[in-house]
Amino acid sequence: DGGITQSPKYLFRKEGQNVTLSCEQNLNHDAMYWYRQDPGQGLRLIYYSQIVNDFQKGDIAEGYSVSREKKESFPLTVTSAQKNPTAFYLCASSRERRNTEAFFGQGTRLTVV
Amino acid sequence: DAKTTQPPSMDCAEGRAANLPCNHSTISGNEYVYWYRQIHSQGPQYIIHGLKNNETNEMASLIITEDRKSSTLILPHATLRDTAVYYCIVRGAIQGAQKLVFGQGTRLTINP
Repeated sequence: DGGITQSPKYLFRKEGQNVTLSCEQNLNHDAMYWYRQDPGQGLRLIYYSQIVNDFQKGDIAEGYSVSREKKESFPLTVTSAQKNPTAFYLCASSRERRNTEAFFGQGTRLTVV
Repeated sequence: DAKTTQPPSMDCAEGRAANLPCNHSTISGNEYVYWYRQIHSQGPQYIIHGLKNNETNEMASLIITEDRKSSTLILPHATLRDTAVYYCIVRGAIQGAQKLVFGQGTRLTINP
């Protein structure tokens, strides 16, 4: 079945370590997105990518990095520079047209101890 | 991108229609209104979207005012499984790239 997959569902890391969250889609979508969600809050955009080898900063990109080497994959690295990395991270994808919906993965809950 | 304003929370009785409002007074002529919902600890789920005409699908109806400055999502017969946070989003385009910007949403609680 087509869809968007995030792995792992739960991730624990020690403070100061970089960690990479996986996001893969087989929907042939051009655009992909990463969001962060804190408890009781809405989604905040970290990075988005319109096309392979191109990506743009969202509203809270500091302390994060991404790559888009393949159309299907948009991994997010949470670096040690991110001061409050513990959060729920959501990946999404959509076709690159204004009137199409986005599909979301089930999220990765990252806990840094 | 146009901003949206939603009430932080609403309650509705099971079996009744749930009407969720959204203001988007700065929406531009080529921007669509989208609705998503998020059940606790899951990824958001697409519900419906529209430009200026009212829309209906198997999940909900979307009523957009004639001036397009506000809209209402209608869940015709709410069930307990409709308890979720509902997000109203205006989808814009910046230099070809499209951002999806979420606000705080409305926490809808369906009561038995």
